[in-house]
Amino acid sequence: GDSVTQMEGPVTLSEEAFLTINCTYTATGYPSLFWYVQYPGEGLQLLLKATKADDKGSNKGFEATYRKETTSFHLEKGSVQVSDSAVYFCALGDNTNAGKSTFGDGTTLTVKP
Amino acid sequence: DGGITQSPKYLFRKEGQNVTLSCEQNLNHDAMYWYRQDPGQGLRLIYYSQIVNDFQKGDIAEGYSVSREKKESFPLTVTSAQKNPTAFYLCASSIASRQGHGYTFGSGTRLTVV
Repeated sequence: GDSVTQMEGPVTLSEEAFLTINCTYTATGYPSLFWYVQYPGEGLQLLLKATKADDKGSNKGFEATYRKETTSFHLEKGSVQVSDSAVYFCALGDNTNAGKSTFGDGTTLTVKP
Repeated sequence: DGGITQSPKYLFRKEGQNVTLSCEQNLNHDAMYWYRQDPGQGLRLIYYSQIVNDFQKGDIAEGYSVSREKKESFPLTVTSAQKNPTAFYLCASSIASRQGHGYTFGSGTRLTVV
């Protein structure tokens, strides 16, 4: 079945540091890929997405590229801020079973001033 | 503004009691989902529905029940058969036929057994 593996956390960075959170997936067919962010006590928010190979999703300074050859969708940001502290989830959408997504376990990011 | 509303935000359940969590959306989305999140863990799918009057079990459906009588509403009942219900419950919706759009989530209900 489909699965998503994320880099284990927690990740602690200083403000303005470079961020990478690794995500790899296993899926049949050609899934869509997503990154969601969850702030404390809240639901998840869609951060960015990519629907086909070589697509780059970007939002709020974050970006991720759909790499079919390495089955990866790593999240990056060039300069993190304290306000980026949250839990980040990688997910894939199964195009053969419309509507269902599979989520990774989440990576907690803490940014210190 | 369109979105998903979950209520209540906090819920306390006594042993042996059934409780119902509300989820309402005004996005005109066809599909709706319930996930359970335990501390430090990912999301586990409880139930999902792609159309009105139809729903399917997810990975951890035992001890839970749902209904989908209206497109806008997808309530989740946590029954007394669920032995460890303390968790954060998230409802989500999507345009079922378009995986590329992703999910819209509600703000969650935190259920605690007392």
